[in-house]
Amino acid sequence: SYELTQPPSVSVSPGQTARITCSGDALPKKYAYWYQQKSGQAPELVIYEDNKRPSGIPERFSGSTAGTRATLTISGAQVEDEADYYCFSTDSSNDVLVFGGGTKLTVL
Amino acid sequence: HLQLQESGPGLVRPSETLSLTCNVSTDSISTSNYYWGWIRQPPGKGLQWIGNVYYRGVTHYNPSLKSRVTISVDTSKNQFSLRLTSVTAADTAVYYCARLVPTGEEFPDFWGQGTLVTVSS
Repeated sequence: SYELTQPPSVSVSPGQTARITCSGDALPKKYAYWYQQKSGQAPELVIYEDNKRPSGIPERFSGSTAGTRATLTISGAQVEDEADYYCFSTDSSNDVLVFGGGTKLTVL
Repeated sequence: HLQLQESGPGLVRPSETLSLTCNVSTDSISTSNYYWGWIRQPPGKGLQWIGNVYYRGVTHYNPSLKSRVTISVDTSKNQFSLRLTSVTAADTAVYYCARLVPTGEEFPDFWGQGTLVTVSS
């Protein structure tokens, strides 16, 4: 079965740049998406189609891809950005929609 | 502003069927060009896609759950439903309903608040 691999945790100080990676064999052919999930809340889309921001998402959130790796970058991370972040995509045949295992971002 | 609201029993006995409904407000299932689906999250764990339905009844299921899952739509009530048969403790999770954009990746762009379903005798 298809998998997207993320680091379990990333930690930065406020104002620093946080980078969260997501690896998957189909990412060169499929878009990556990123979701933010704060404690006790539903996930929220923060990046779609590799690098686009939905309306209302701060400019400090950006996305990029290179080969089989997608990266979510939070430039100047703030305390309120502490959350779990999940990447999302599909396998090369569009048979299964997959979330990465999630990365817990700590900002302190 | 779109609203999705899950409803259904919070406790299901092992081997029985889990049934949930998602009520859609301010968007019409039958006229909007979206998919409607279910995603779950076991306590303390990550997200798992369950499946989607289009208003015409076309479905797309996670192969790992396909034998136990049915997702259907009721356009007259503007709601869609999930049935998961033969549940075990491993099916204990927060279940989210979501709207999905019909691109190649069928990504969720809006989520309900989620409802916890516990499988226990």
